[in-house]
Order: sequence, then structure tokens, then C-alpha cells
Amino acid sequence: EDKVVQSPLSLVVHEGDTVTLNCSYEVTNFRSLLWYKQEKKAPTFLFMLTSSGIEKKSGRLSSILDKKELFSILNITATQTGDSAVYLCAVEHPGTYKYIFGTGTRLKVLA
Amino acid sequence: GAVVSQHPSWVICKSGTSVKIECRSLDFQATTMFWYRQFPKQSLMLMATSNEGSKATYEQGVEKDKFLINHASLTLSTLTVTSAHPEDSSFYICSARYGRAGEGKNIQYFGAGTRLSVL
Repeated sequence: EDKVVQSPLSLVVHEGDTVTLNCSYEVTNFRSLLWYKQEKKAPTFLFMLTSSGIEKKSGRLSSILDKKELFSILNITATQTGDSAVYLCAVEHPGTYKYIFGTGTRLKVLA
Repeated sequence: GAVVSQHPSWVICKSGTSVKIECRSLDFQATTMFWYRQFPKQSLMLMATSNEGSKATYEQGVEKDKFLINHASLTLSTLTVTSAHPEDSSFYICSARYGRAGEGKNIQYFGAGTRLSVL
């Protein structure tokens, strides 16, 4: 059965810390992996990763995919209180356009 | 970026009534939209895939007569919770698939969600 597992489930850090969020997957015929940030309402799109070893970067956030080891990481440097959210990892299910979501990592950044 | 609007954001209804939730892609056409349900502190649970001009595809365990989905145009999908009961109270989120043929992209953009409370 296809599955996506995120770790840790929750994390509390202080402003300025760097955090690494993990996402591992077991999905046949992998196509893409996506990261979303969910604050109180809608998940907002962060990154889409399809190729192994190529880092995607946006400001203090970056992500990379390892297709051989079947995982991705999301890094946030110099964290701010506004980074507090649930970070969701999703893998596209081949042929259906559906996503398989992980359980999410709840990040809280303290001032 | 692609914008998806969901309405209403919050609805309270009496048990036995029906509630309609709308999901619109504002600046792109979406042949495929998705409906999710989210319980507190849990991840998104896919309920159904909504395809423009055809019947929705429901996930296992989701009652299609309970959750009616209509995708009448390339920018609008609706979810109607029929004869709502307190156990239907939840956070419902829609998404619209943005993807262009040949680009190999398939990105879902999400609406802001609808919090349904059934009394």
C-alpha cells in the first residue's frame, strides 16, 4: 500500500533556529513530491520536486529529493514566528492526479 | 499564482438540512478538482475527485449519496452535504488541479476551507 510518512510529528524551536523536516514515501511509479504549508486554513504550495538531487529554494526555505532513498527534506533557516504552521508532504499518485498526504509536521516557533 | 476560492468559509446548519459548498478556480481552468475532509490535528483525507462534465470518483468509504459533487464548468465544483448530521461536522477543503499538457506539472491549489457545524 502506498504511504507517505513525515517526521517529526511536531517540533518546537526558537526564532533563529534551523529546522529540517522529513518526508519518506513508498509509492509505486513515483512522479512528484510536493510540500505545502498550512496555517489556519488552506494549504499553500511551497515546492514541487521531481528530480533527485536538485535543490529547490525560496528565501529561507529549501527542499531536496532523494529518489534512491525515497525521501525528501524541507529546511527552514533562521526561523521566524510566522513559520509556525503544519507542513504537509504529498506524493502524486500515478495516473490519477490524486495526492497521498503525510500526517504533517506541526512546527511552532517561539519568539 | 493560481487562486482557488471556496465559499462559504463557515456554515452552521440544523440536523437534516443540506449544505452546499462552492469551489472556484479564479484564474485558471481546472478539469479536475478534489474534495478533502480534515479532522482536528489530522492530515487531509481525500473524499472524491471531481471531473468536469463527468461523474465524480469517490474514495472508499465515502457515501456518494451523502456527499453530492457537481463539476458543471471548468472553474466551478460544488459539494452538497445532504441531510447533514452532527457527525458530518468537519473542515472541508477543495483543491483545483493546475497542470498543462506536456509540462509534466500537476499542482493542486487549495481553497480556504469550509467549517461545517451541524447542530
